[in-house]
Amino acid sequence: GAGVSQTPSNKVTEKGKYVELRCDPISGHTALYWYRQSLGQGPEFLIYFQGTGAADDSGLPNDRFFAVRPEGSVSTLKIQRTERGDSAVYLCASSPRLGGANVLTFGAGSRLTVL
Amino acid sequence: AQTVTQSQPEMSVQEAETVTLSCTYDTSESNYYLFWYKQPPSRQMILVIRQEAYKQQNATENRFSVNFQKAAKSFSLKISDSQLGDTAMYFCAFPRWDTDKLIFGTGTRLQVFP
Repeated sequence: GAGVSQTPSNKVTEKGKYVELRCDPISGHTALYWYRQSLGQGPEFLIYFQGTGAADDSGLPNDRFFAVRPEGSVSTLKIQRTERGDSAVYLCASSPRLGGANVLTFGAGSRLTVL
Repeated sequence: AQTVTQSQPEMSVQEAETVTLSCTYDTSESNYYLFWYKQPPSRQMILVIRQEAYKQQNATENRFSVNFQKAAKSFSLKISDSQLGDTAMYFCAFPRWDTDKLIFGTGTRLQVFP
């Protein structure tokens, strides 16, 4: 697509529920990143993929968080047993390849609210 | 550890005036890139400008320019002729060279007044 698409734009859920957040990157971009942005903070790294494999998942806060990218395109961030502290905007970004020089193209984010 | 610090939580400027946003960072790397991203209320982060650390010349993109001081590890953003559309959060960021993680500062909220 023309840009990075994230769905849903907003998600409200109850504590303990399971949620999935979807990211559709720019066509042809092999690198995909997930960030979490809490209110008033800068984005914090969660995980990034090169193709289908997670190249670095060291930012995932605990084992309730998991992300997949089975065909090297669309990615899904999965959160089990949600907690109120998980409330944040989850940003997805893609780039043509890995590398510190690359400019990331971001989506508009998915705002998750856990009641 | 690599860190990014933005010491100005909020800034305001009148339309057509010039404003400078500060950023300092800490790294042991000798070669790296630095970025400024803009996040308007729509939430979508947009690249404003990029600087290569091994280049002494400061990057410029239209009304946006940087003052890069490598020895001082300072990377400030200057916005000239400010426009109402410049109202947004601005984040300084740089990637870890070995892992491709982009590290962001806490941001500066810029308000442009008519």
